[in-house]
Amino acid sequence: ETGVTQTPRHLVMGMTNKKSLKCEQHLGHNAMYWYKQSAKKPLELMFVYSLEERVENNSVPSRFSPECPNSSHLFLHLHTLQPEDSALYLCASSQDLLGQGNYGYTFGSGTRLTVV
Amino acid sequence: GEDVEQSLFLSVREGDSSVINCTYTDSSSTYLYWYKQEPGAGLQLLTYIFSNMDMKQDQRLTVLLNKKDKHLSLRIADTQTGDSAIYFCAEKGAPGGSYIPTFGRGTSLIVHP
Repeated sequence: ETGVTQTPRHLVMGMTNKKSLKCEQHLGHNAMYWYKQSAKKPLELMFVYSLEERVENNSVPSRFSPECPNSSHLFLHLHTLQPEDSALYLCASSQDLLGQGNYGYTFGSGTRLTVV
Repeated sequence: GEDVEQSLFLSVREGDSSVINCTYTDSSSTYLYWYKQEPGAGLQLLTYIFSNMDMKQDQRLTVLLNKKDKHLSLRIADTQTGDSAIYFCAEKGAPGGSYIPTFGRGTSLIVHP
Protein backbone atom coordinates (compact mmCIF):
# COMPACT_ATOMS: atom_id res chain seq x y z
CA GLU A 1 0.00 0.00 0.00
CA THR A 2 1.59 3.25 -1.12
CA GLY A 3 -0.39 5.57 1.11
CA VAL A 4 -2.34 6.97 -1.81
CA THR A 5 -5.39 4.89 -2.72
CA GLN A 6 -7.19 5.18 -6.04
CA THR A 7 -10.52 3.66 -6.95
CA PRO A 8 -11.62 2.04 -9.10
CA ARG A 9 -8.52 0.24 -10.40
CA HIS A 10 -10.16 -0.35 -13.78
CA LEU A 11 -13.02 1.46 -15.48
CA VAL A 12 -14.68 0.93 -18.82
CA MET A 13 -17.12 3.60 -19.84
CA GLY A 14 -19.08 4.61 -22.90
CA MET A 15 -18.67 8.02 -24.46
CA THR A 16 -22.00 9.21 -23.08
CA ASN A 17 -21.43 8.01 -19.52
CA LYS A 18 -20.57 10.04 -16.44
CA LYS A 19 -18.18 8.53 -13.96
CA SER A 20 -15.80 9.67 -11.22
CA LEU A 21 -12.32 8.64 -10.18
CA LYS A 22 -11.45 8.84 -6.51
CA CYS A 23 -8.14 9.42 -4.79
CA GLU A 24 -7.52 9.34 -1.05
CA GLN A 25 -4.42 9.97 1.04
CA HIS A 26 -3.94 9.98 4.78
CA LEU A 27 -0.31 11.03 4.73
CA GLY A 28 -1.02 14.54 5.95
CA HIS A 29 0.02 15.93 2.57
CA ASN A 30 -1.24 19.31 1.49
CA ALA A 31 -0.84 19.05 -2.28
CA MET A 32 -2.56 16.61 -4.64
CA TYR A 33 -2.24 16.04 -8.35
CA TRP A 34 -3.87 14.30 -11.28
CA TYR A 35 -1.63 12.92 -14.02
CA LYS A 36 -2.50 11.15 -17.25
CA GLN A 37 -0.19 8.39 -18.42
CA SER A 38 -0.57 7.28 -22.04
CA ALA A 39 1.55 4.72 -23.80
CA LYS A 40 4.90 6.05 -25.00
CA LYS A 41 4.16 9.63 -23.89
CA PRO A 42 5.58 11.64 -21.02
CA LEU A 43 3.44 11.90 -17.92
CA GLU A 44 0.94 14.69 -18.46
CA LEU A 45 0.09 16.87 -15.50
CA MET A 46 -3.62 17.64 -15.48
CA PHE A 47 -4.49 19.40 -12.23
CA VAL A 48 -2.77 20.57 -9.07
CA TYR A 49 -4.46 21.31 -5.77
CA SER A 50 -2.80 22.88 -2.77
CA LEU A 51 -4.76 23.12 0.49
CA GLU A 52 -7.92 22.33 -1.47
CA GLU A 53 -7.40 25.23 -3.88
CA ARG A 54 -6.76 24.52 -7.53
CA VAL A 55 -3.46 26.09 -8.46
CA GLU A 56 -2.94 24.66 -11.90
CA ASN A 57 -5.12 23.51 -14.74
CA ASN A 58 -2.84 22.37 -17.49
CA SER A 59 -5.09 23.08 -20.48
CA VAL A 60 -7.27 20.09 -19.77
CA PRO A 61 -10.56 19.74 -21.71
CA SER A 62 -13.69 20.58 -19.77
CA ARG A 63 -14.92 16.99 -20.00
CA PHE A 64 -12.52 16.40 -17.10
CA SER A 65 -13.65 18.15 -13.93
CA PRO A 66 -11.64 17.89 -10.70
CA GLU A 67 -12.94 18.29 -7.19
CA CYS A 68 -11.02 18.54 -3.94
CA PRO A 69 -13.47 18.61 -1.01
CA ASN A 70 -10.69 18.37 1.60
CA SER A 71 -6.96 17.86 1.72
CA SER A 72 -7.32 14.06 1.88
CA HIS A 73 -9.60 13.50 -1.09
CA LEU A 74 -9.41 14.29 -4.76
CA PHE A 75 -11.92 13.38 -7.45
CA LEU A 76 -11.85 13.49 -11.22
CA HIS A 77 -15.32 13.68 -12.74
CA LEU A 78 -15.58 12.40 -16.28
CA HIS A 79 -18.30 13.02 -18.86
CA THR A 80 -18.64 12.61 -22.62
CA LEU A 81 -15.11 11.30 -22.96
CA GLN A 82 -13.45 10.28 -26.20
CA PRO A 83 -11.63 7.04 -26.99
CA GLU A 84 -8.31 8.94 -26.97
CA ASP A 85 -8.91 9.68 -23.30
CA SER A 86 -8.23 6.02 -22.55
CA ALA A 87 -5.16 5.97 -20.33
CA LEU A 88 -3.88 5.33 -16.83
CA TYR A 89 -4.88 8.17 -14.54
CA LEU A 90 -2.52 8.63 -11.64
CA CYS A 91 -3.12 10.56 -8.49
CA ALA A 92 -0.17 11.82 -6.46
CA SER A 93 0.35 13.80 -3.30
CA SER A 94 3.22 15.68 -1.74
CA GLN A 95 3.96 17.35 1.57
CA ASP A 96 3.51 20.71 -0.07
CA LEU A 97 3.80 22.22 -3.50
CA LEU A 98 7.56 22.06 -3.37
CA GLY A 99 7.46 18.27 -3.03
CA GLN A 100 11.20 18.29 -2.69
CA GLY A 101 13.91 16.27 -1.10
CA ASN A 102 13.22 12.81 0.18
CA TYR A 103 9.50 13.39 0.22
CA GLY A 104 9.05 13.83 -3.50
CA TYR A 105 5.69 12.63 -4.69
CA THR A 106 3.72 9.62 -3.48
CA PHE A 107 1.73 8.09 -6.30
CA GLY A 108 -1.34 5.90 -6.24
CA SER A 109 -1.58 2.76 -8.37
CA GLY A 110 -3.78 4.49 -10.88
CA THR A 111 -7.12 3.90 -12.57
CA ARG A 112 -6.91 2.21 -15.95
CA LEU A 113 -9.63 3.93 -17.98
CA THR A 114 -10.96 2.56 -21.25
CA VAL A 115 -13.45 4.64 -23.22
CA VAL A 116 -15.48 2.66 -25.72
CA GLY B 1 12.30 18.90 -28.12
CA GLU B 2 11.33 17.41 -24.80
CA ASP B 3 12.62 18.84 -21.55
CA VAL B 4 13.65 15.46 -20.17
CA GLU B 5 14.81 12.71 -22.49
CA GLN B 6 15.43 9.04 -21.87
CA SER B 7 15.92 6.05 -24.10
CA LEU B 8 12.80 3.89 -24.16
CA PHE B 9 14.28 0.44 -23.58
CA LEU B 10 17.21 -1.25 -21.89
CA SER B 11 17.81 -4.98 -21.78
CA VAL B 12 20.35 -6.55 -19.42
CA ARG B 13 21.28 -9.96 -18.13
CA GLU B 14 20.59 -10.87 -14.53
CA GLY B 15 23.62 -10.10 -12.37
CA ASP B 16 24.99 -7.42 -14.71
CA SER B 17 24.91 -3.71 -13.99
CA SER B 18 22.25 -1.53 -15.61
CA VAL B 19 22.83 2.09 -16.49
CA ILE B 20 19.83 4.24 -17.35
CA ASN B 21 20.59 7.66 -18.77
CA CYS B 22 18.65 10.89 -18.80
CA THR B 23 19.29 14.36 -20.20
CA TYR B 24 17.44 17.50 -19.26
CA THR B 25 17.37 21.06 -20.50
CA ASP B 26 16.54 23.24 -17.49
CA SER B 27 19.82 24.62 -16.20
CA SER B 28 18.06 25.86 -13.06
CA SER B 29 17.05 22.34 -12.02
CA THR B 30 17.64 21.92 -8.33
CA TYR B 31 16.22 18.47 -7.69
CA LEU B 32 16.53 15.43 -9.90
CA TYR B 33 14.61 12.24 -9.21
CA TRP B 34 14.42 8.65 -10.27
CA TYR B 35 11.06 6.91 -10.02
CA LYS B 36 10.27 3.25 -10.62
CA GLN B 37 6.96 1.96 -11.97
CA GLU B 38 6.22 -1.72 -11.73
CA PRO B 39 3.41 -3.26 -13.82
CA GLY B 40 -0.02 -2.25 -12.58
CA ALA B 41 1.37 0.20 -10.06
CA GLY B 42 1.99 3.89 -9.69
CA LEU B 43 5.38 5.55 -9.62
CA GLN B 44 7.58 4.96 -6.59
CA LEU B 45 10.31 7.42 -5.66
CA LEU B 46 13.60 5.51 -5.78
CA THR B 47 16.12 8.20 -5.09
CA TYR B 48 16.86 11.85 -5.66
CA ILE B 49 19.89 14.08 -5.91
CA PHE B 50 20.41 17.76 -5.28
CA SER B 51 21.97 19.72 -8.11
CA ASN B 52 25.02 20.60 -6.01
CA MET B 53 25.97 16.92 -5.75
CA ASP B 54 27.87 14.81 -8.27
CA MET B 55 27.04 11.40 -6.96
CA LYS B 56 24.77 9.64 -4.54
CA GLN B 57 24.91 6.00 -3.58
CA ASP B 58 22.16 4.01 -1.91
CA GLN B 59 22.80 0.27 -1.65
CA ARG B 60 22.70 -1.09 -5.23
CA LEU B 61 21.76 2.28 -6.70
CA THR B 62 24.26 4.93 -7.80
CA VAL B 63 23.14 8.25 -9.21
CA LEU B 64 25.61 10.32 -11.17
CA LEU B 65 24.96 13.93 -12.11
CA ASN B 66 26.92 15.91 -14.69
CA LYS B 67 25.45 19.35 -14.28
CA LYS B 68 27.57 20.87 -17.03
CA ASP B 69 26.20 18.42 -19.59
CA LYS B 70 22.77 18.22 -17.88
CA HIS B 71 23.11 14.45 -17.76
CA LEU B 72 21.79 12.17 -15.04
CA SER B 73 22.30 8.44 -14.79
CA LEU B 74 21.06 5.64 -12.57
CA ARG B 75 23.25 2.60 -12.13
CA ILE B 76 21.77 -0.56 -10.67
CA ALA B 77 24.41 -3.04 -9.54
CA ASP B 78 23.76 -6.79 -9.69
CA THR B 79 20.47 -6.32 -11.54
CA GLN B 80 17.76 -8.77 -10.57
CA THR B 81 14.57 -9.84 -12.34
CA GLY B 82 12.65 -7.87 -9.73
CA ASP B 83 14.27 -4.72 -11.07
CA SER B 84 12.32 -5.10 -14.32
CA ALA B 85 10.16 -2.00 -14.46
CA ILE B 86 9.88 1.41 -16.08
CA TYR B 87 12.28 4.00 -14.68
CA PHE B 88 11.38 7.67 -14.90
CA CYS B 89 13.79 10.56 -14.63
CA ALA B 90 12.30 13.84 -13.37
CA GLU B 91 13.68 17.28 -12.70
CA LYS B 92 12.38 20.29 -10.86
CA GLY B 93 13.50 23.90 -11.05
CA ALA B 94 14.50 26.33 -8.37
CA PRO B 95 12.08 27.55 -5.69
CA GLY B 96 10.20 30.50 -7.08
CA GLY B 97 10.13 28.88 -10.48
CA SER B 98 8.11 25.89 -11.59
CA TYR B 99 7.32 23.72 -8.61
CA ILE B 100 6.06 20.91 -10.77
CA PRO B 101 8.63 18.31 -11.83
CA THR B 102 9.01 17.42 -15.48
CA PHE B 103 9.08 13.71 -16.18
CA GLY B 104 10.73 11.84 -19.01
CA ARG B 105 8.91 9.17 -20.99
CA GLY B 106 10.44 6.40 -18.93
CA THR B 107 12.95 3.66 -19.74
CA SER B 108 11.65 0.08 -19.72
CA LEU B 109 14.29 -2.10 -18.09
CA ILE B 110 14.06 -5.75 -19.08
CA VAL B 111 16.13 -8.18 -17.07
CA HIS B 112 16.58 -11.65 -18.56
CA PRO B 113 18.22 -14.72 -17.07
